[in-house]
Parts: sequence; C-alpha cells; structure tokens
Amino acid sequence: GAGVSQTPSNKVTEKGKYVELRCDPISGHTALYWYRQSLGQGPEFLIYFQGTGAADDSGLPNDRFFAVRPEGSVSTLKIQRTERGDSAVYLCASSLGPGEVNEQFFGPGTRLTVL
Amino acid sequence: GEDVEQSLFLSVREGDSSVINCTYTDSSSTYLYWYKQEPGAGLQLLTYIFSNMDMKQDQRLTVLLNKKDKHLSLRIADTQTGDSAIYFCAEWAGSYQLTFGKGTKLSVIP
Repeated sequence: GAGVSQTPSNKVTEKGKYVELRCDPISGHTALYWYRQSLGQGPEFLIYFQGTGAADDSGLPNDRFFAVRPEGSVSTLKIQRTERGDSAVYLCASSLGPGEVNEQFFGPGTRLTVL
Repeated sequence: GEDVEQSLFLSVREGDSSVINCTYTDSSSTYLYWYKQEPGAGLQLLTYIFSNMDMKQDQRLTVLLNKKDKHLSLRIADTQTGDSAIYFCAEWAGSYQLTFGKGTKLSVIP
C-alpha cells in the first residue's frame, strides 16, 4: 500500500473492556509513532518505535496502555480496562527513520469510543 | 516545557490570502511543520521549515519564521474552497516526537 493504514477505522467498546488497534506503516519505514487526538485538540504523542523496540514511551498516560512492534513493521496499541476518557482518535505515523527532517506520514486514525 | 499555540478559527473569502499564525516555546526546535487535516482524513504534511531559515515558499504556500519571537506563519495565496480544513502547527525539538498546536479551522467563503 502507498500510505499508512490503520484498522479498525472505528471501534466502540464498553468501559472495562480490552481493545487492540493496528497500524501498518509505509513499507521500509523503520520509525513508527502513536499519537492520540481528543476532540478539539492537536495530536499528542504516545510512543515511538525505532525498529522493534520502543525508543520513547514517555507519552503513554498509564500502565493500561501498551504497544508492540514485534517484527519491526506492523504495530499494535493495546488498551486494558478501557475508560470513557480513553475515547479519542488514535493516530499512527511512520517515517524513514530518525533522519534530519523527521517527515512523519500519518494514517487516517482509529476512532475509539468507550461507552 | 514545550507548548505550541494557535488561534482556533479563521474565515476568509475565496480568492483572498489566508494567514495562519503559530507561536512556540521551545527554542531548541530544529524543524517546524504545517499539517492539514480534512474531515475524516489523516494529517497531511503541507510544508516544513528548518529553524535556520526565515522563509520558505512552495507554490501557493509561504512559511515565515521569526526565531527571535518564536513565531511561525503560513500564508495561503488565492485561497480556494478546497483549502477549508484544520491546519496544525508542529515543532520537532529532536526527541523524535512532534508537539502539535490545537489547530486552526480555516473556513473559506465562496
């Protein structure tokens, strides 16, 4: 595919449930980022992967949030015991690597609604 | 800490120029970016400027950077209805994450 893809596009869940959100980065991009965008806000950084490892997870709000990228390509963001405040659009981005310009390409996002 | 501020709304008539402003606080920013977000779509990178430049032009887009005042602007010439969207200013201070403003909603009146 030409761009970053994310699935599902929409996810509705009940408070307390577990959810997984998937991101397929652009082929060949070694860097992958997760951001969260609440209504009326700009995207806020969650976690950054370089290859398979999480190089910076300082934006994860608490230990209910976890992300993996086991083969250095697809990434999954996992949220345990979801809360209504987790409702937001979760955006994934990828870039060639920690290069000079850091041009990040964004996917369309997954809209998560916690009832 | 890092903070990026933008005005929330801008309304212009089709054919006029639009100017969207942004201020940032991190003096170590290396690159500054403008992203466009249309309803239901992902963020699209419009343009970026390196911190040692003061101007960059790309077709209808002109970016001005005043590093002393930490002020960034995006000028869109001959604004069209297809330019209606939310525009985000973002800074990169070298920690790989981008810090975004809240976005400016541009409405173009036909």
